[in-house]
This record gives sequence, structure tokens and C-alpha cells, in this order.
Amino acid sequence: QSALTQPASLSGSPGQSITISCTGTSSDVGAYNYVSWCQQRPGKAPKLIIYDVSKRPSGVSNRFSGSKSGNTASLTISGLQAEDEADYYCISYTTSNTAIFGGGTKLTVL
Amino acid sequence: EVQLVESGGGLVQPGGSLRLSCAASGFALSSYWVHWVRQPPGKGLVWVSLISTDGSNTNYADPVKGRFTISRDNAKDTVYLQMNSLSAEDTAVYSCFSDRGWGQGTLVTVSS
Repeated sequence: QSALTQPASLSGSPGQSITISCTGTSSDVGAYNYVSWCQQRPGKAPKLIIYDVSKRPSGVSNRFSGSKSGNTASLTISGLQAEDEADYYCISYTTSNTAIFGGGTKLTVL
Repeated sequence: EVQLVESGGGLVQPGGSLRLSCAASGFALSSYWVHWVRQPPGKGLVWVSLISTDGSNTNYADPVKGRFTISRDNAKDTVYLQMNSLSAEDTAVYSCFSDRGWGQGTLVTVSS
């Protein structure tokens, strides 16, 4: 099964909003509302920022929001800050009772 | 504080075994499905295995199927990953996550 498709890189200026897409198929992203997103700063462990498409774990800033339409999930970061510079990965549960990651998106804050 | 803490990583020879643990604090891990994932050096995240809340549903990525076994002890709020027949391709940081958060990872190095 191929990885979910994410843009390899994105950039934005402080204060802007950016959206990272995560495109799969009807066998993964489109099948269930079980898409999560994690943030990985350089040299650090991943941090869960979104689960079940749009829910935020306790303590995660409300500048992070998630959505889904068909086979594509999206992560939007509003009010971009320098600390948001990181790699972002989506992960989806699949109809094969497995999970699959996206290739990751490197976000640069200009 | 809600935390997932992995342990059990280390250096192991090819063909060897390790058992990783993922322990929860600050919440009842028994209420959540748990995934193990790994990240080879300099590469992206790769899904490894999942387990349901009661342990009745488990599954594995193809590269580890038949070699790795996931299990859980809900009385201890801990999920395990038994890894056998390890090879250099299994070298990675292994971490666990649930809908409550992500652990800090434990490094597994397979080398002679």
C-alpha cells in the first residue's frame, strides 16, 4: 500500500495561515474518520496534534485544526509562528485494519 | 500529566530479540487503541503495529509480520512489542501513540 500523499514542503510567513493536504483513497482516508496528524520538530519526538480528523488532544493550541473531504484530509495552522517550523505527518486507519502514514511535509516559517 | 513512555530499546545482534514497553501515566491506556511506529535514521515515520483496547484485534505491517508481536496488560497500563529475528533493516527509533499522545521513543540498533 502506497503512503498517503503530502506536499514535500510548504512555507509561510508569521501570522499567515497554511494548509497541509493528505490525500489517500477510499480504502484509508475516505473510509473512516480516523485521521491523525503529528508535528515533529528537528531532533525531537513526534507530538500528536490532531486525531479523529479534527479533535485536538488536551494542551494543543487551537491554532491547529483538521478537516476532511472525500479522500483528502487537511491540517490548517493559523497565525503561523516560528515555533511551528517542523515536519508534519498524517496517518490514517485503513480498511485492511492497518494504518498508513503520509510522506511528511516540511514546514518552513519565513 | 498525560504521558506515554517507551523503554526496552538498545543494541542487539542480527537475529536477536528485544521487548519494548509503552507505559502510560496520567490516563487509563486501557481505553485506547495503541499503535507502534518506527523511524529509521534520517527517514520518515512508518507504521508497525496496532492493538485494540482489549487486545483482541492486532495487526502488523508486512515487513514485521511473523516476527513482531504486540500485546497489552491493561492492569499495568502498558503495551508491549516483542521483536524477534531482528535485522539491520529494523534499526530505528520506535515509539507508541494513542489518541492521548505520543511517546518520546526508544532507539533500537541492530548490528554485529
